[in-house]
Amino acid sequence: IQMTQSPSSLSASVGDRVTITCQASQDITNYLNWYQQKPGKAPKLLIYDASNLETGVPSRFSGSGSGTDFTFTISSLQPEDIATYYCQQYDNLPITFGQGTRLEIK
Amino acid sequence: EVQLVESGGGFIQPGGSLRLSCAASGLIVSSNYMNWVRQAPGKGLEWVSVLYSGGSTFYADSVKGRFTISRDNSKNTLYLQMNSLRAEDTAVYYCARDKGGRAFDVWGQGTMVIVSS
Repeated sequence: IQMTQSPSSLSASVGDRVTITCQASQDITNYLNWYQQKPGKAPKLLIYDASNLETGVPSRFSGSGSGTDFTFTISSLQPEDIATYYCQQYDNLPITFGQGTRLEIK
Repeated sequence: EVQLVESGGGFIQPGGSLRLSCAASGLIVSSNYMNWVRQAPGKGLEWVSVLYSGGSTFYADSVKGRFTISRDNSKNTLYLQMNSLRAEDTAVYYCARDKGGRAFDVWGQGTMVIVSS
């Protein structure tokens, strides 16, 4: 299953609402996760099952969607949110990731 | 505290072999779905392999027949035996716990493998 993420990079200001999309090449119901990766660090799970917030993750992060189209949103961008974000499907093996969205502060 | 610590990475010539280890604390490797995920320099994440709690194993096509995932229950450690290494296997290798077959919620810090002549 191919995962197509967009945009590949994004520049936004502190306080902005940021949206990233992920499209699957086939129906994956809600088997979609979102990760945050900061430079030199391991990825961190933010959202699982398309819309469930992982424990301890700030509520400004959210996810939605089902089937083939998914959205990840940061409601109010904070400086510490600078990172690369990845979607991941686990409907079928092989597990596949989107190519990533690099988020920068304007 | 739940923690995964990888080791065993290094510099290896093409065609060589390397075994990565992932020592777990705060979780039982044999009771979880455990994965290896890699990331080539400057690139995205690529799933490599999974070892289910029941013992089944699966691999990405890119490593099938060359890599073997296993575990040592007495040491609570996950392994990745990598044979016939190629330049394109150069990457940071992460082990990750898959919570209930749904998402990777615990990750190690990664270990770097460089395949080069």
